[in-house]
Amino acid sequence: DAGVIQSPRHEVTEMGQEVTLRCKPISGHNSLFWYRQTMMRGLELLIYFNNNVPIDDSGMPEDRFSAKMPNASFSTLKIQPSEPRDSAVYFCASSSATGSVEQYFGPGTRLTVT
Amino acid sequence: GQNIDQPTEMTATEGAIVQINCTYQTSGFNGLFWYQQHAGEAPTFLSYNVLDGLEEKGRFSSFLSRSKGYSYLLLKELQMKDSASYLCAVRRGSTLGRLYFGRGTQLTVWP
Repeated sequence: DAGVIQSPRHEVTEMGQEVTLRCKPISGHNSLFWYRQTMMRGLELLIYFNNNVPIDDSGMPEDRFSAKMPNASFSTLKIQPSEPRDSAVYFCASSSATGSVEQYFGPGTRLTVT
Repeated sequence: GQNIDQPTEMTATEGAIVQINCTYQTSGFNGLFWYQQHAGEAPTFLSYNVLDGLEEKGRFSSFLSRSKGYSYLLLKELQMKDSASYLCAVRRGSTLGRLYFGRGTQLTVWP
């Protein structure tokens, strides 16, 4: 079975540009999480969805960040405009409300904003 | 926020046993997770404790004491491939609640 799929795997962009990160959760999972990982701050939750509805977005840094989940198989994280301090690895993870309690992480998107 | 503390770095030799500790302070505790993360890769799930006691899974075991806000991950018969960062995470609230991660413990296994 395919795991969590993220694209792109690497993104290099200039300050001020819009960046869109994409995630396809594991089929049948109804919770989806966006994390950011940096050396300084570790792994931080940005936002998570349950049944496509945002449940907790308290980790979203500021209005430049937005996330959507239009259906059960797709989510986006958008940064507009991007800044150098947004440089990080962004992970998407999914989990199921029943069965295993673990979150399955995607391979991540390494974002560099110059 | 949640206070989750774990050592920054640890070293050990092949074949040895290492214990990585994690302490936490949180309300609404609903489970403690351990994840392994190799450099440049995504975290992968190792173990989950919600009740006090020891959970054993092959070479890895995890222990939880809710009254003490304490957990440890025990790795036996260390192998070079166990060199990685080990992340302790606490879940608050419901089964669908968010995880709060510690900064991770970087374990280096020497031959």
